[in-house]
Amino acid sequence: EVQLVESGGGLVQPGGSLRLSCAASGFTFSSYEMNWVRQAPGKGLEWVSYISSSGSTIYYGDSVKGRFTISRDNAKNSLYLQMNSLRAEDTAVYYCARRAYTILHYFDYWGQGTLVTVSS
Amino acid sequence: DIQMTQSPSSLSASVGDRVTITCRASQSISTYLNWYQHKPGKAPKLLIYAASSLQSGVPSRFSGSGSGTDFTLTISSLHPEDFATYFCQQSYVFPLLTFGGGTKVEIK
Repeated sequence: EVQLVESGGGLVQPGGSLRLSCAASGFTFSSYEMNWVRQAPGKGLEWVSYISSSGSTIYYGDSVKGRFTISRDNAKNSLYLQMNSLRAEDTAVYYCARRAYTILHYFDYWGQGTLVTVSS
Repeated sequence: DIQMTQSPSSLSASVGDRVTITCRASQSISTYLNWYQHKPGKAPKLLIYAASSLQSGVPSRFSGSGSGTDFTLTISSLHPEDFATYFCQQSYVFPLLTFGGGTKVEIK
């Protein structure tokens, strides 16, 4: 069974940092491209970042570019999101999501999310 | 970025009702449109990909249609477990993937 479990969320002050993790199981993690997607309170979903299966290709949404860093450790079946210079508008539930193994870009499995609250 | 607009933002329906949710793209996206179901505290679930392809394991009462800019998700007969929020997502422009604002389906 495919499982994605996020962790690392919490309360952080504006300007602070946080590192999210996503532990993957039930599939060959190193074969799949991964993403982070977030949902701010009362808002829709927002794609945050993408990483290729090898980690060689990375993209970010404009709202987090230069502040967030996505990475992965295929030996540990884990995905990460290092979040620096956090702002109130980064408050959201963060989900890791697997890209389906297809030329189309949709997310076939998601985690349950971890809440990040940026507040003083 | 391609803007995705869903309507309605919420609706009330009864078990057994036929429910239709609309998603409109700000430009043509062919059939690069996906639908997800999301319940509070749970992982979002893929329902439909490529506008009309049913994800494995998803009940056949869910269906999707459309192409270009206008798309529809239909639940033919609402079950109690279908009360949730539904999101559309365009995958025409990668990596600038964008989602609709969501449609919350509530019990009447």
